[in-house]
Amino acid sequence: NAGVTQTPKFRVLKTGQSMTLLCAQDMNHEYMYWYRQDPGMGLRLIHYSVGEGTTAKGEVPDGYNVSRLKKQNFLLGLESAAPSQTSVYFCASSQGNEQFFGPGTRLTVL
Amino acid sequence: TQLLEQSPQFLSIQEGENLTVYCNSSSVFSSLQWYRQEPGEGPVLLVTVVTGGEVKKLKRLTFQFGDARKDSSLHITAAQPGDTGLYLCARRSTGTASKLTFGTGTRLQVTL
Repeated sequence: NAGVTQTPKFRVLKTGQSMTLLCAQDMNHEYMYWYRQDPGMGLRLIHYSVGEGTTAKGEVPDGYNVSRLKKQNFLLGLESAAPSQTSVYFCASSQGNEQFFGPGTRLTVL
Repeated sequence: TQLLEQSPQFLSIQEGENLTVYCNSSSVFSSLQWYRQEPGEGPVLLVTVVTGGEVKKLKRLTFQFGDARKDSSLHITAAQPGDTGLYLCARRSTGTASKLTFGTGTRLQVTL
């Protein structure tokens, strides 16, 4: 099993550009999450999903959109990237007590 | 947002030393988890504590949940270089999605 995978691993954007981060899980988990991690702030929840076709806002949703068209995939979109969105993005999935995290995507917005 | 404060923020020790890191909140936890994150990877769950006063051990790691369920500690005995990483506590929310609110993290470096 691959667990949780994220694509791409690294990306550099210019201010105003758009991009989509892809998260895939092969554990048949219902719940999926997107976090961002910034120095000294731990991980903060951006959006999450409790099942295929459903999404909900987390702690820091502004500037991001998500979609869960298939159970195994959770997409995070940035429509117009800003330097404040420079961060490491982690996807996670869970079915109960434990969240399983992907390896992260390091995004730099210039 | 209910903050989880972790202390210390950074810790650099030599192999064989003992250490304790702390996680504090002004509000009661329904349950609390500890994760370890190594460079370039996502966090990995170490333990979940639910009951006030609960103590759990994982090899050389001892986790304690405060009696009032507002704080927790992680004690490492005889630290090894393999313990190096970022230690994160996280509050689990009640409800369907079991969302996590993470602490600020303690970065531990263990040198030979």
